[in-house]
Amino acid sequence: AQSVTQLGSHVSVSEGALVLLRCNYSSSVPPYLFWYVQYPNQGLQLLLKYTSAATLVKGINGFEAEFKKSETSFHLTKPSAHMSDAAEYFCAVSLAGRRALTFGSGTRLQVQP
Amino acid sequence: NAGVTQTPKFRILKIGQSMTLQCTQDMNHNYMYWYRQDPGMGLKLIYYSVGAGITDKGEVPNGYNVSRSTTEDFPLRLELAAPSQTSVYFCASSPTGSDQPQHFGDGTRLSIL
Repeated sequence: AQSVTQLGSHVSVSEGALVLLRCNYSSSVPPYLFWYVQYPNQGLQLLLKYTSAATLVKGINGFEAEFKKSETSFHLTKPSAHMSDAAEYFCAVSLAGRRALTFGSGTRLQVQP
Repeated sequence: NAGVTQTPKFRILKIGQSMTLQCTQDMNHNYMYWYRQDPGMGLKLIYYSVGAGITDKGEVPNGYNVSRSTTEDFPLRLELAAPSQTSVYFCASSPTGSDQPQHFGDGTRLSIL
C-alpha cells in the first residue's frame, strides 16, 4: 500500500527565510511524487513532480524538491520565502499502474513580514 | 482556458435532500476524479473514472454515486444528504493515471444542515 506523511500541519517562516516542508512516503516500489499548492478558496495547482528522471526537481515559483530513496523523502524547499507563498501545500504519491493519487494531510505555510 | 469547471460553487442542503455536483473538463482527459477535503485531512478520493462508461470506487464512496456518459462530464450525486457530507468537493482530471499530474477545479463548498 502507498501512503504519504507530511510532518507539521503548520509551518511559519519570516519573509526571506528558507522554506522547508517535509514529506515522507511509504512504497515498496519506486513511486511518482507530486507537490501541489492550494491558495484560499481555490483548487490545487501543481508545483512540481518527480517521475524518476532526476532526483532534484525544480518547480514553479522558485520551489524545488529532492527525491531521496534511502530516506523515502521528497521534501519541498525554497531559498527565500515571499508573502505570496502563504498557502497550503500537499504532497501526493502514486505508483505505476495505479489510477489515483494518495494525498498527505497538508501543511499550511504562514509567512511573517 | 477553462480547464476543469465545477458548479455550483456553494450550496446549502437540508438533511435528506439530494443534489448533483457538476464537473466538466475541456482538455479531452480520459481520467476524472472526485475528492472531498475536510480540515486537516487532506483529500480523500470518492470515485474516479478512466473513460466514458467506466467508473470505480475510491476510498470514501458511501453515500455518493457517479456516472460518466461523455469524456467531458463527470457528475457526482448525493442521494440522501447527511451532515457528515458537509465538505469541500473537488473534481480533477488527468490524461492518464499514475505519472500524470491532475488538474483541479475550484471546488464546491457544500453544507448539510
